[in-house]
Amino acid sequence: DQQVKQNSPSLSVQEGRISILNCDYTNSMFDYFLWYKKYPAEGPTFLISISSIKDKNEDGRFTVFLNKSAKHLSLHIVPSQPGDSAVYFCAASYANAGNMLTFGGGTRLMVKP
Amino acid sequence: DAGVTQSPTHLIKTRGQQVTLRCSPKSGHDTVSWYQQALGQGPQFIFQYYEEEERQRGNFPDRFSGHQFPNYSSELNVNALLLGDSALYLCASSAPRDSNTEAFFGQGTRLTVV
Repeated sequence: DQQVKQNSPSLSVQEGRISILNCDYTNSMFDYFLWYKKYPAEGPTFLISISSIKDKNEDGRFTVFLNKSAKHLSLHIVPSQPGDSAVYFCAASYANAGNMLTFGGGTRLMVKP
Repeated sequence: DAGVTQSPTHLIKTRGQQVTLRCSPKSGHDTVSWYQQALGQGPQFIFQYYEEEERQRGNFPDRFSGHQFPNYSSELNVNALLLGDSALYLCASSAPRDSNTEAFFGQGTRLTVV
């Protein structure tokens, strides 16, 4: 039972264009969502988060959108840079779970120069 | 601030053996969680320690156990290793426990069971 899903295992984008990474979830109790970026041989690095009371959160080139009715969130990267090439994980938690994270399977983003 | 540190970085063990992995949380963090990341998959929650007790546990057998020390550092122990235990083991620290906040991850320990 996969509660968080990232249906696209990989995404290729040209430098300077927008990257859109998608994530779906099934557990209605989730109220906090995070995106992590992972380079090879490193641990996941926190990128951006959003609470369920919001539908958008922006931090520089990164914006996360949350559609609670569709149980869907997306990460937009504008403009994409070659250094953004990494595996991106969507994760979810809920307030009484003590920051226990449920992760999606990841999407490998490749930004071509 | 050293962030979350894990040791060792790589480990090779034989099937049936036991292994201990170690984690020091980020300064100011009192909650430590362990995750297993198999190749090509997302991290899966193993368990979480707070105030030296296991507070939550994921769907992992009793062969997986842990400990948290008074200085908040933690150990993950795996007994009777199976080939399927080969994975990247990630430690994450966070605080405060009752609020939603991001978890900070270490670089992981790559365990290979042969």
